[in-house]
Amino acid sequence: DAKTTQPPSMDCAEGRAANLPCNHSTISGNEYVYWYRQIHSQGPQYIIHGLKNNETNEMASLIITEDRKSSTLILPHATLRDTAVYYCIVRVLLRGSQGNLIFGKGTKLSVKP
Amino acid sequence: DTAVSQTPKYLVTQMGNDKSIKCEQNLGHDTMYWYKQDSKKFLKIMFSYNNKELIINETVPNRFSPKSPDKAHLNLHINSLELGDSAVYFCASSQHPGQSSGANVLTFGAGSRLTVL
Repeated sequence: DAKTTQPPSMDCAEGRAANLPCNHSTISGNEYVYWYRQIHSQGPQYIIHGLKNNETNEMASLIITEDRKSSTLILPHATLRDTAVYYCIVRVLLRGSQGNLIFGKGTKLSVKP
Repeated sequence: DTAVSQTPKYLVTQMGNDKSIKCEQNLGHDTMYWYKQDSKKFLKIMFSYNNKELIINETVPNRFSPKSPDKAHLNLHINSLELGDSAVYFCASSQHPGQSSGANVLTFGAGSRLTVL
């Protein structure tokens, strides 16, 4: 699987958009980009995933560049409850390896009042 | 509530003891997992089961034995506990729709913090 690079930490003002970048320059054509987050003392929570098109759901938007070498997770109106570690994971679908997610260090997002 | 629930939430025990952590999901998922988060906060998969069949076993000592009585349950039994086993253990589940990208969409439990003294 392609390696991902994320900034170790970011701050965001409450109510503003939080834009979390992820670099995956060695991504291959059949690898998906997944985003999870882990709020302190809780289990990881799935946010969104995509292959090459931009995706949006009730939690966030995922923007993937045309060359797929990087992506940005957007939380449109960050709240204090969005303070968490955000993980960008690139994963190919291989028989027998489904669900075997490789979590890196992620980005610690601090939303401030 | 539909969820992945695991018990106990906290477990403190002595070295050498045997302990179990239970996990249940009522999401109707076919696949269940155990992940371990160590003191440096790295999350790593230990096992996965699909319909009670072991799929992934990631170089985990034989002291760790998962048991899946049915597809809604995956329990983790640990023998002869060591100090290095202290960690937070997360159970998770997902659908197993073949090669669909949704196979990597996992629902995690709240975690079980194991402390070995």
